[in-house]
Amino acid sequence: DAGITQSPRHKVTETGTPVTLRCHQTENHRYMYWYRQDPGHGLRLIHYSYGVKDTDKGEVSDGYSVSRSKTEDFLLTLESATSSQTSVYFCATLAGQEQFFGPGTRLTVL
Amino acid sequence: GQQLNQSPQSMFIQEGEDVSMNCTSSSIFNTWLWYKQDPGEGPVLLIALYKAGELTSNGRLTAQFGITRKDSFLNISASIPSDVGIYFCAGLRGGADGLTFGKGTHLIIQP
Repeated sequence: DAGITQSPRHKVTETGTPVTLRCHQTENHRYMYWYRQDPGHGLRLIHYSYGVKDTDKGEVSDGYSVSRSKTEDFLLTLESATSSQTSVYFCATLAGQEQFFGPGTRLTVL
Repeated sequence: GQQLNQSPQSMFIQEGEDVSMNCTSSSIFNTWLWYKQDPGEGPVLLIALYKAGELTSNGRLTAQFGITRKDSFLNISASIPSDVGIYFCAGLRGGADGLTFGKGTHLIIQP
């Protein structure tokens, strides 16, 4: 158990609405990551954080923002959701050189 | 963005058979990781490889870090029904970088 929880686990929203996904960890890991998983693409990195208030972009960051005000929480925000952001979103933390994943959030944008 | 070339895309095997899958890349990685994902869950780490040429086992699973640092393979011996799932390879260049994933190998076991 990597001590990672994600909320909500499922969400359906409409195009143009803002959405925030939360990742919470209990292991006090410095590095946290957000990935999205789509059929035919595997997992792709959206944003990551290397400490409180320190974040950087990943491969597919357009349309997403993140915030990290506390070590244990990493938030992913879709300012104005689009149908192309329908996906499963995974949070991960880094322990040594190994990344451990949360259970995921399935987001559907109608 | 780059993704790893993982093959095969899917495998249909009989229970008890051995399984082999691999990942290749055009660039070097310093760490290779293998994950298994069950439906509705996040990827679970199976094996981590840190050195070129390294061969590591975890029960019935064996993985190797290619000598060129551009490939890795995973073997599963004597498959059982609970081995069903999607297996992903992932490469890491630097210690805290994001992972680069393969597209997965979907393992289906026929009793």
